[in-house]
Amino acid sequence: EPEVTQTPSHQVTQMGQEVILRCVPISNHLYFYWYRQILGQKVEFLVSFYNNEISEKSEIFDDQFSVERPDGSNFTLKIRSTKLEDSAMYFCASSEPRSLEAFFGQGTRLTVV
Amino acid sequence: EDKVVQSPLSLVVHEGDTVTLNCSYEVTNFRSLLWYKQEKKAPTFLFMLTSSGIEKKSGRLSSILDKKELFSILNITATQTGDSAIYLCAAQETSGSRLTFGEGTQLTVNP
Repeated sequence: EPEVTQTPSHQVTQMGQEVILRCVPISNHLYFYWYRQILGQKVEFLVSFYNNEISEKSEIFDDQFSVERPDGSNFTLKIRSTKLEDSAMYFCASSEPRSLEAFFGQGTRLTVV
Repeated sequence: EDKVVQSPLSLVVHEGDTVTLNCSYEVTNFRSLLWYKQEKKAPTFLFMLTSSGIEKKSGRLSSILDKKELFSILNITATQTGDSAIYLCAAQETSGSRLTFGEGTQLTVNP
């Protein structure tokens, strides 16, 4: 069964460093998303991406964050200068155009120290 | 501000019991309501509901949406220990496809 894959599964980084989280969405999907879940809290929307541009972003998605689809398969989230409060599980999701049911990857646990 | 509220936050039952999980929402441009099961990491898709009063079923799980009263329920009959998980409810807007999640219901099914 097709699935969304994310790498790495866990990343530890020092405060102030840049990190890139990678995702391979399901192949026929055209909508891509990033969500995050801080430990013990709700899943929060960060950004959605369609037709090679951001279609919507939340207040959390400030100038420190960026997304890119560098080739036909990968979808990346970059955090330019990580802060302690960026520590969270980051989920990538994708959906197909008509149904818009979003399918999630296994997540990347980011720990900023 | 869009809001999704789930209840109860936590529920402990015995195998074989039937459970009902609740989700209410206040979303400006509501399109659909989704249910997910989160075991260890990723939320796994269960149902998407867009029309009021039409029950969706998958095995022992079923769900229904009431767009007038702005809520949905997820029923699990004859629960099994494998049903232990966090069940997430999320509302989807028409303007884009942002999902607004509730806090989740932590379900524990004891043998």
